[in-house]
Amino acid sequence: DSGVTQTPKHLITATGQRVTLRCSPRSGDLSVYWYQQSLDQGLQFLIQYYNGEERAKGNILERFSAQQFPDLHSELNLSSLELGDSALYFCASSASGANVLTFGAGSRLTVL
Amino acid sequence: GQNIDQPTEMTATEGAIVQINCTYQTSGFNGLFWYQQHAGEAPTFLSYNVLDGLEEKGRFSSFLSRSKGYSYLLLKELQMKDSASYLCAVREDTGRRALTFGSGTRLQVQP
Repeated sequence: DSGVTQTPKHLITATGQRVTLRCSPRSGDLSVYWYQQSLDQGLQFLIQYYNGEERAKGNILERFSAQQFPDLHSELNLSSLELGDSALYFCASSASGANVLTFGAGSRLTVL
Repeated sequence: GQNIDQPTEMTATEGAIVQINCTYQTSGFNGLFWYQQHAGEAPTFLSYNVLDGLEEKGRFSSFLSRSKGYSYLLLKELQMKDSASYLCAVREDTGRRALTFGSGTRLQVQP
């Protein structure tokens, strides 16, 4: 157990729908990162939050949004889902000033 | 932007040594990371290099040459459980702590 908790583990939905993925970082970690990993693809950085504020943005689609709450958990919202959004979505966290990102087990999204 | 290249697949024999190479082109550099990822599981941290040279950690070693934009991960005494993808990742020197990952090298260890 890495200490980073992601829910749900699996999610199946239909095109056009909206889903929310949730991440609780390791205790004490202020930074949260979201990554997308499609089948046989590398990890694509989506967005980073630090202590409630957006810190960096990667290749995140306009249909996707995220936020980090005062208790430091984060949610990734995916809307108007398309077949191509089917992927593993990983959350990672890091301590302030730390080098290493610790990943959660991921949420596998299947869009039918 | 960043470009990170590593071989797609490699095969090695149990008990042998394998070297996985990674080359990168970045506008800035603030560290190179190696992660291991078993299929469908979370990536787990293996090593971190920010200065040139070799970092050794048990059966795993990682090397960095910043002038050449080159790193390698060396795995010794291969075990079947080492069959996994190995991800090379770079952090730019921008204050942004997010990592940019290569596509990964899928290593198959054979008996």
